[in-house]
Amino acid sequence: SQTIHQWPATLVQPVGSPLSLECTVEGTSNPNLYWYRQAAGRGLQLLFYSVGIGQISSEVPQNLSASRPQDRQFILSSKKLLLSDSGFYLCAWRNRGSYEQYFGPGTRLTVT
Amino acid sequence: AQSVAQPEDQVNVAEGNPLTVKCTYSVSGNPYLFWYVQYPNRGLQFLLKYITGDNLVKGSYGFEAEFNKSQTSFHLKKPSALVSDSALYFCAVDLSTSGTYKYIFGTGTRLKVLA
Repeated sequence: SQTIHQWPATLVQPVGSPLSLECTVEGTSNPNLYWYRQAAGRGLQLLFYSVGIGQISSEVPQNLSASRPQDRQFILSSKKLLLSDSGFYLCAWRNRGSYEQYFGPGTRLTVT
Repeated sequence: AQSVAQPEDQVNVAEGNPLTVKCTYSVSGNPYLFWYVQYPNRGLQFLLKYITGDNLVKGSYGFEAEFNKSQTSFHLKKPSALVSDSALYFCAVDLSTSGTYKYIFGTGTRLKVLA
């Protein structure tokens, strides 16, 4: 069966520091991968999605970037964090030919 | 513009009563529709989907949803609510028919089931 992992689970970082969040999927190949941010426990904002290695689509211009160095690995990065980057970051995957997305457990990021 | 609306920020229902969480959509073409549930500090869990076929779809934990094309709605229902159903519920529409591979999510509805 397929599983999705995200780490770390929680992170507290000062303003201006770098960020790296990692997401990996097991039990599938060539999935679509997604990064979302959820602010204030409510709405979901799609940040990036990827349909293959090295293929990244950005949804919102900001100081975040994403990379997909391997088929089942998706990384969210920032060179310098802002206070507004605080939130709950969710990774999701989807198999080709199906429609539902499956979400990881999330990373709670607090920028101080 | 394509959109999904959840008109209620919060729905309160007594345990044992039926519940409905509303969702309406505006998309071009045939919609693929989904419901997800989120418990505090957790990721979203897939509940059910409508792709084609029967307008009433059944999902996990006794939930079902009714697709209504004329009203462009996809309301989530459950005949008898449990306190453990209290959570945040999201409706989503898949935009794959538009050549992309992403969802639009509604803003979420907080369901509170009162004992």
